[in-house]
Amino acid sequence: ETGVTQTPRHLVMGMTNKKSLKCEQHLGHNAMYWYKQSAKKPLELMFVYSLEERVENNSVPSRFSPECPNSSHLFLHLHTLQPEDSALYLCASSQDMGDRMGGNTIYFGEGSWLTVV
Amino acid sequence: GESVGLHLPTLSVQEGDNSIINCAYSNSASDYFIWYKQESGKGPQFIIDIRSNMDKRQGQRVTVLLNKTVKHLSLQIAATQPGDSAVYFCAEIGPNQGGKLIFGQGTELSVKP
Repeated sequence: ETGVTQTPRHLVMGMTNKKSLKCEQHLGHNAMYWYKQSAKKPLELMFVYSLEERVENNSVPSRFSPECPNSSHLFLHLHTLQPEDSALYLCASSQDMGDRMGGNTIYFGEGSWLTVV
Repeated sequence: GESVGLHLPTLSVQEGDNSIINCAYSNSASDYFIWYKQESGKGPQFIIDIRSNMDKRQGQRVTVLLNKTVKHLSLQIAATQPGDSAVYFCAEIGPNQGGKLIFGQGTELSVKP
């Protein structure tokens, strides 16, 4: 139990479907993240929210739409995805995202395996 | 640009031996480093961290060494067990990066019984 819960764990969707990934953190953290993990590649940061405001969008296509209704919940809305979007999507949280040393350990959820067919 | 990378993509060790996983970083201003373990089908799990004002930190069966002179980080696992089989990532945070981690590609550790 990492304190970060993701649902669903596995999702198969067609290219015309609309689906959402959900993340909930039980750690009282102020920052939440979406990462994408593809085979043989480093983790790619997609979005960062701090105190429910989006502070980072790493050139992610608009077919991925994040939503952070409160500091404990984070969603990733998916629509008209491509097969190359198939990957493990990891949600994470940290106490905050300032530059202070030691305050930025990021804790990950178990991930949502997405397959686009 | 700045990057964090791992010297070896795979490492195979005998059960009971010590393992050493290496990581090189290019940003000499990075001041905080973390090692993560990712088992198959799971998310990355925090193992141990170290700040740039330290050169060694020990945890339970794990030790992280930081050599700022050559910008090198290593993770040592004592008495490696089958449950240690996983992919290990190092990550760094530097100034002016908004607290965001930069991850390396990962090293896959396989433990032979």
